[in-house]
Amino acid sequence: DVKVTQSSRYLVKRTGEKVFLECVQDMDHENMFWYRQDPGLGLRLIYFSYDVKMKEKGDIPEGYSVSREKKERFSLILESASTNQTSMYLCASSLSEYEQYFGPGTRLTVT
Amino acid sequence: GQQVMQIPQYQHVQEGEDFTTYCNSSTTLSNIQWYKQRPGGHPVFLIQLVKSGEVKKQKRLTFQFGEAKKNSSLHITATQTTDVGTYFCADHNNAGNMLTFGGGTRLMVKP
Repeated sequence: DVKVTQSSRYLVKRTGEKVFLECVQDMDHENMFWYRQDPGLGLRLIYFSYDVKMKEKGDIPEGYSVSREKKERFSLILESASTNQTSMYLCASSLSEYEQYFGPGTRLTVT
Repeated sequence: GQQVMQIPQYQHVQEGEDFTTYCNSSTTLSNIQWYKQRPGGHPVFLIQLVKSGEVKKQKRLTFQFGEAKKNSSLHITATQTTDVGTYFCADHNNAGNMLTFGGGTRLMVKP
């Protein structure tokens, strides 16, 4: 079974802090994704990566950056967390045009 | 950018009743994936539809792709409490590596 793990299930940070969310997949998938999920807005793509060191902006990249130094690991970085970044963050991975496998999510609260 | 609209946003049904969620786009959809997210869980892939007019069944779930590839639907026959969750449709971009998600339909089933 494909496994996608995320570093934390719950995280509380203060405004202005730098936040790292990490995601690891164990199936050698080339594509990895970061989404945020907010009530009524569905899943919105922040960034995705189709290869090591490669990244593309999604629909809402502002305030975020990403890093993919190894194929299995994709990190989301909030350089200076703000309260409007309080959300559920979901990582996913996939092979090309096939289904995406999601991690359990990180619920981030910025106070 | 591309928009995928999903209706209804919420649906309450009595156990045993049928349920349908609809996914619509003003532009031609590439291919449609459907996901289910249980309360407190993460999205899990259900199925992918590729061909115009395609119909696929999974037990009590019937998935359809419109003839013009501008809409899709998921129909659940005789809902059960285990069907509770949010159902998302998602369309691939032309490169086949990114998904645009609809807003989701949250299904609640009264026993």
